[in-house]
Amino acid sequence: GAVVSQHPSRVICKSGTSVKIECRSLDFQATTMFWYRQFPKQSLMLMATSNEGSKATYEQGVEKDKFLINHASLTLSTLTVTSAHPEDSSFYICSASSADSRYEQYFGPGTRLTVT
Amino acid sequence: AQSVTQLGSHVSVSEGALVLLRCNYSSSVPPYLFWYVQYPNQGLQLLLKYTSAATLVKGINGFEAEFKKSETSFHLTKPSAHMSDAAEYFCAVSRDEAAGNKLTFGGGTRVLVKP
Repeated sequence: GAVVSQHPSRVICKSGTSVKIECRSLDFQATTMFWYRQFPKQSLMLMATSNEGSKATYEQGVEKDKFLINHASLTLSTLTVTSAHPEDSSFYICSASSADSRYEQYFGPGTRLTVT
Repeated sequence: AQSVTQLGSHVSVSEGALVLLRCNYSSSVPPYLFWYVQYPNQGLQLLLKYTSAATLVKGINGFEAEFKKSETSFHLTKPSAHMSDAAEYFCAVSRDEAAGNKLTFGGGTRVLVKP
């Protein structure tokens, strides 16, 4: 149980285009989803927290207009990187938690974004 | 504010030797502490967690960690390293439930296992 998937696993896009990453909780209802960014050989940095049906809460320094987060259902959250630039290239990881999971987040496998 | 410090960005151990990964935390409230493992190009897998029950926590794959409040530490150990333990390990701290389970991660420790 508690499986989280991400799609796509890898994506390459051209500078200036937008790309959408999906995060799905496959066998539980995720009341809260988190989006992280991880640069090579570095730790995870929380970008935003989203609760189903509400606007996402962004961490300081994260551009909300650039990283659009939607959490329209209890099993799906999306992260859209708008007008991507090479510096947006990174590993993006989502996680999900539920009211029943108490203090535990279940992580997706990550999406490697490369902007050329 | 909370923070996590992992001493040593890289640790090299011989197969069969003790694995010790250090984690110190700072928290203004009683913490909830976690250890995660990450294999290359994959997400994080929970090894174990401390949530104010027993101070010695046993996890998967033979790992365990001990919460020491006086030392503000939550070091991870495994008595005998396997080649499959080569990965990146992250210690994380969470605030209470009202804060929405936000995790603050340490910088990570990469473990290399030598045959």
